[in-house]
Amino acid sequence: GNSVTQMEGPVTLSEEAFLTINCTYTATGYPSLFWYVQYPGEGLQLLLKATKADDKGSNKGFEATYRKETTSFHLEKGSVQVSDSAVYFCALSLQGAQKLVFGQGTRLTINP
Amino acid sequence: DTGVSQDPRHKITKRGQNVTFRCDPISEHNRLYWYRQTLGQGPEFLTYFQNEAQLEKSRLLSDRFSAERPKGSFSTLEIQRTEQGDSAMYLCASSLAGGPTDTQYFGPGTRLTVL
Repeated sequence: GNSVTQMEGPVTLSEEAFLTINCTYTATGYPSLFWYVQYPGEGLQLLLKATKADDKGSNKGFEATYRKETTSFHLEKGSVQVSDSAVYFCALSLQGAQKLVFGQGTRLTINP
Repeated sequence: DTGVSQDPRHKITKRGQNVTFRCDPISEHNRLYWYRQTLGQGPEFLTYFQNEAQLEKSRLLSDRFSAERPKGSFSTLEIQRTEQGDSAMYLCASSLAGGPTDTQYFGPGTRLTVL
């Protein structure tokens, strides 16, 4: 079946630290990959996406590269801020199958 | 248009009661999705509509659950004879069909608590 696995949380970092949140997937076809973010008290927001192998999605200083050979889509940011504290979800969707399949989420806390 | 809206934001009910939630998608979006999210987990797909047609339902959607989108605009999700296990956040998302992947935009969710 199709599934997404994220690194276990919670993750706690200091401001300006480098961030990596690992995400790997299993899919029967060629998925599109997404990172969504959920800030406290708010709904899910699309952070970035990539639709084919070797594509890099980027937004707000976050980046993730679609790696077909390692079936991964790791989220990175060079210097995190307190305002990045949120829960991050990796997700996939297969062409022709409209539903998103989500990982379990990773809670990130950034301390000043 | 400011995005996907859901109503109510919170619902507390007693076991055995029926509840109904509403979702208003982004106005030009023709696809609408329902997901359920339990504490500490990612959202799980329940069902989706293209215009007024319900095109896919998850096995999670038991016969106590029914969703409608009568005019291809807003949608309702009804849960009959609620159980404590139905307590969760119910999320609605919408997208515009076209291209290889439609980006889904989520509403704030309806948090259901079944006592």
